[in-house]
Amino acid sequence: AQSVSQHNHHVILSEAASLELGCNYSYGGTVNLFWYVQYPGQHLQLLLKYFSGDPLVKGIKGFEAEFIKSKFSFNLRKPSVQWSDTAEYFCAVIRGGYNKLIFGAGTRLAVHP
Amino acid sequence: DGGITQSPKYLFRKEGQNVTLSCEQNLNHDAMYWYRQDPGQGLRLIYYSQIVNDFQKGDIAEGYSVSREKKESFPLTVTSAQKNPTAFYLCASTRSLDGRTGSNYGYTFGSGTRLTVV
Repeated sequence: AQSVSQHNHHVILSEAASLELGCNYSYGGTVNLFWYVQYPGQHLQLLLKYFSGDPLVKGIKGFEAEFIKSKFSFNLRKPSVQWSDTAEYFCAVIRGGYNKLIFGAGTRLAVHP
Repeated sequence: DGGITQSPKYLFRKEGQNVTLSCEQNLNHDAMYWYRQDPGQGLRLIYYSQIVNDFQKGDIAEGYSVSREKKESFPLTVTSAQKNPTAFYLCASTRSLDGRTGSNYGYTFGSGTRLTVV
């Protein structure tokens, strides 16, 4: 069973549209949560992470994510996307006490000008 | 600058041959990992090592082997037993978990090796 689920495999948006990418995980207890981005032909880059504290996390390039513990979710949002946001986005989770990062299957985002 | 070096960037292998992918880090990280990336499947964990001379199987270890003789090095061998080895392979490292909070400090990823079986 997939431990980290990303709801959409492909998303197509026009510039200036709002973005929300879903991520759910199936672990109980403490978790560390991450969103990574991979631009075409480039390495994985960390967008943002949640360890504890304020469940609304702000990352680079105008992205943010909200940790909702009751829903086991960590959805990624951006109010207005740009063509340069075209990339693949990965949600990832570390269970508390385990130093092992587990990824979702990824969401390919294409933004049309 | 500290970082992770994976080599080579592109690798071609004939069917039936073993091949070893290199991963070196100078970050003084304790833990190292190998992931395989395939379209539509995200990154899947092959093997990981939390300390020198110790490693554990990840979710898709069959057909792969690793060693961790030095802290800075974690080579991955793709053996002839791996039925579908063509993929993009990523190495990563991180510090040990925070002893007080149990939190992870964040991973550093290499630039990857694209392996193609011909």
